[in-house]
Amino acid sequence: GAVVSQHPSWVICKSGTSVKIECRSLDFQATTMFWYRQFPKQSLMLMATSNEGSKATYEQGVEKDKFLINHASLTLSTLTVTSAHPEDSSFYICSARSAGGLTGELFFGEGSRLTVL
Amino acid sequence: DAKTTQPPSMDCAEGRAANLPCNHSTISGNEYVYWYRQIHSQGPQYIIHGLKNNETNEMASLIITEDRKSSTLILPHATLRDTAVYYCIVRVGGGSARQLTFGSGTQLTVLP
Repeated sequence: GAVVSQHPSWVICKSGTSVKIECRSLDFQATTMFWYRQFPKQSLMLMATSNEGSKATYEQGVEKDKFLINHASLTLSTLTVTSAHPEDSSFYICSARSAGGLTGELFFGEGSRLTVL
Repeated sequence: DAKTTQPPSMDCAEGRAANLPCNHSTISGNEYVYWYRQIHSQGPQYIIHGLKNNETNEMASLIITEDRKSSTLILPHATLRDTAVYYCIVRVGGGSARQLTFGSGTQLTVLP
């Protein structure tokens, strides 16, 4: 299947700093990417939908000024956690749908584990 | 998107078939059934999807009842590496770029 790659796979930062996570579609173009967050022993929760060349759409309760999303090309979306705090520690996962896909399956990155000290 | 109901956990002996059920009694005619799994600390992995016919690929088989209100994912010969949380998701397919909404899934544990 299609390949989606995230970087970094894990990051530790101090409280108050900003962290950028990249999501790349390696072998297909993705006009839309989705960012999820997963806390321990919980399911994935959608944070935002990232559209190439336009502003992201955020789910209710997700602060757009804290979680900055940029989707500048058809193969790259970035999530920046600004002024991170310990409660932002989580597993962040992106997914993308191939622009040429016919039946809507999404492919997921490996995830990025953020630990804020 | 239609809601799904899955058992929270199941065990399966290594080498045996694992049958994971999913109820989606409110499914609409244009909604597909998707199955994903998530191995610990990894991103979800696509397994299979279907609309109304049974489907099979190299990973699994998907059996959808005639009324489409339930389905079963079958892993024919489970291995220890199949231990994961399995998610059954129902949503519109086709050209839609809509997100997947994850429920709590079924924790499958394959026992040696």
